[in-house]
Amino acid sequence: DIQLTQSPSSLSASVGDRITITCRASQSVISYLNWYQERPGKAPKLLIYAASNLQSGVPSRFSGSGSGTHFTLAISPLQPEDFATYYCQQSSSTPYTFGQGTKLEIK
Amino acid sequence: QVQLVQSGADVRKPGASVKVSCKASGYSFTTNPIHWVRQAPGQRLEWMGWINGGNDYTKYSRKFQDRVTISKDTSASTVYMELSGLRSEDTAVYYCARETLNDYNFDYWGQGTLVIVSS
Repeated sequence: DIQLTQSPSSLSASVGDRITITCRASQSVISYLNWYQERPGKAPKLLIYAASNLQSGVPSRFSGSGSGTHFTLAISPLQPEDFATYYCQQSSSTPYTFGQGTKLEIK
Repeated sequence: QVQLVQSGADVRKPGASVKVSCKASGYSFTTNPIHWVRQAPGQRLEWMGWINGGNDYTKYSRKFQDRVTISKDTSASTVYMELSGLRSEDTAVYYCARETLNDYNFDYWGQGTLVIVSS
């Protein structure tokens, strides 16, 4: 199974900041890497698919990059509604796997 | 608009089975696969398996292979996930999610169903 490791696991930032979250895969997933946002008590929401494509309706302050085993999610500038948990997910091969999550908190 | 509406929370005893439903609307049901993902308290999201929208093909995670069955009723636009041999560590929120065609991501999710396994 492909393991995904996110860093950091938690992050404190302020409204208006730029933050980046990294996702590393244990083997190449090419560009089959997606990012989701999860708010407490809500289902995950797709933000970025295929490493760098913005899902319809998602604000342009979210961006993704990377390929192979190293991927990044960036958010700039941070808005109050962005404080949530973020997960990467690979869809290169089953079992599809998720990172452990990065909790973004208000400083 | 696309919606996935899941059945309500459930409490089961260890060793029992649970069957969670996911009713789809707002799109052609047979077009997109439906996946099941769960999240135990404090744990990462965990993929369980999927079912093809147009036929009965299924694929399961090896972790759940012996205990999970995903099925569907096309006439009711509903997908089911049944998990047997429940243990306390199966306590989790279970989600159904629609796979985007050809992009291998999950663009719509159900609201989640809490399953509690407790004696």
